[in-house]
Amino acid sequence: AQSVTQLGSHVSVSEGALVLLRCNYSSSVPPYLFWYVQYPNQGLQLLLKYTSAATLVKGINGFEAEFKKSETSFHLTKPSAHMSDAAEYFCAVKKATSYGKLTFGQGTILTVHP
Amino acid sequence: ETGVTQTPRHLVMGMTNKKSLKCEQHLGHNAMYWYKQSAKKPLELMFVYSLEERVENNSVPSRFSPECPNSSHLFLHLHTLQPEDSALYLCASSQVTEDNSPLHFGNGTRLTVT
Repeated sequence: AQSVTQLGSHVSVSEGALVLLRCNYSSSVPPYLFWYVQYPNQGLQLLLKYTSAATLVKGINGFEAEFKKSETSFHLTKPSAHMSDAAEYFCAVKKATSYGKLTFGQGTILTVHP
Repeated sequence: ETGVTQTPRHLVMGMTNKKSLKCEQHLGHNAMYWYKQSAKKPLELMFVYSLEERVENNSVPSRFSPECPNSSHLFLHLHTLQPEDSALYLCASSQVTEDNSPLHFGNGTRLTVT
């Protein structure tokens, strides 16, 4: 069975500071990994995905994530936070050949203060 | 229209009402999903339709009844709901024949059961 753990339900940073949102997964086979963002009153929007082509994945809005197999981690980072980054972020894992079924983490709410 | 569209955006219904949620995708995908998002809980996969066949039903109560008349449309029929069914219901689509295909979400229907 697959699972995803997001460490920290709330993360608060200052504008311009580094953003680090943590995600650890468990999977019996190499997984596909995703990060999504959800703004208030909206659905989930794909930020980036890992598909084994490269361990460092760049996404939209300046975010990137690094796949570390030895640590079973896929942490999301952004060098400099912007006020518009305030949202909830979800890490998700998918096993190959499981059609589109994603298993989501519990989400991390990012607050950015001036 | 592009992407995944859900209607209505908000719905208030009594426990004896019958209502339906609608989802339409304009991405040419062949799989569609219903997810439930409740406060302080991970996203819960409810139903999966792949190539218009239901391939997953995650022990969802029978008061929720999905319908997928074609690859572009998905409905969730609601009947005799309970207050604990109040949540954000998210529809998503993907291309099931591509292993790394992410889910594309609609903006959801905010359901309140009174």
